[in-house]
Amino acid sequence: GENVEQHPSTLSVQEGDSAVIKCTYSDSASNYFPWYKQELGKGPQLIIDIRSNVGEKKDQRIAVTLNKTAKHFSLHITETQPEDSAVYFCAASKKAGGYQKVTFGTGTKLQVIP
Amino acid sequence: GAVVSQHPSRVICKSGTSVKIECRSLDFQATTMFWYRQFPKKSLMLMATSNEGSKATYEQGVEKDKFLINHASLTLSTLTVTSAHPEDSSFYICSASGVPGAHGYEQYFGPGTRLTVT
Repeated sequence: GENVEQHPSTLSVQEGDSAVIKCTYSDSASNYFPWYKQELGKGPQLIIDIRSNVGEKKDQRIAVTLNKTAKHFSLHITETQPEDSAVYFCAASKKAGGYQKVTFGTGTKLQVIP
Repeated sequence: GAVVSQHPSRVICKSGTSVKIECRSLDFQATTMFWYRQFPKKSLMLMATSNEGSKATYEQGVEKDKFLINHASLTLSTLTVTSAHPEDSSFYICSASGVPGAHGYEQYFGPGTRLTVT
């Protein structure tokens, strides 16, 4: 099955600096890569996603890149703010029957220091 | 748009009893709903996938007789933990896919239910 690795497990940055989280996946059939932000005691919130036919996508301060050949994808957050502090999960998704099956990474706890 | 709710948000039950958790898509019809379990400081583990009117598909190692899933309509799925034991204590999260206009890959998550079995 799919295996998604995520690094680092924890990340502390100063407010205003950039944060980068990296993930790798193993299954070449994965075709959709969402990123989720999870605050303490809450469900994950989809923040950005990318499909396998796209190399890069940006939404304001958040960007995601995908290297399909190397099976790497990354999340970039620029101009970090304290409210960006949360746990971030990458995920790889592939078609399984009539739906997309999602495998999550292990999570990165991001702390933005004011 | 794409709001998913869960009820209850927290539940405490005694060992041996059953607990039902509801998951609702509030502003869209969810063709597929998913149930996850999350241990403290860990990632989400998929338990099962369900389509409206069909039997749920359980992941390997998940006991289908213990975790009963009913996807009664396009906006409601329920997870019943039967004969709960302390080791079933966890954070249970549902998600739904099928937002109109989207490519259908996105899953939108509920806020989760904290189950504590005493």
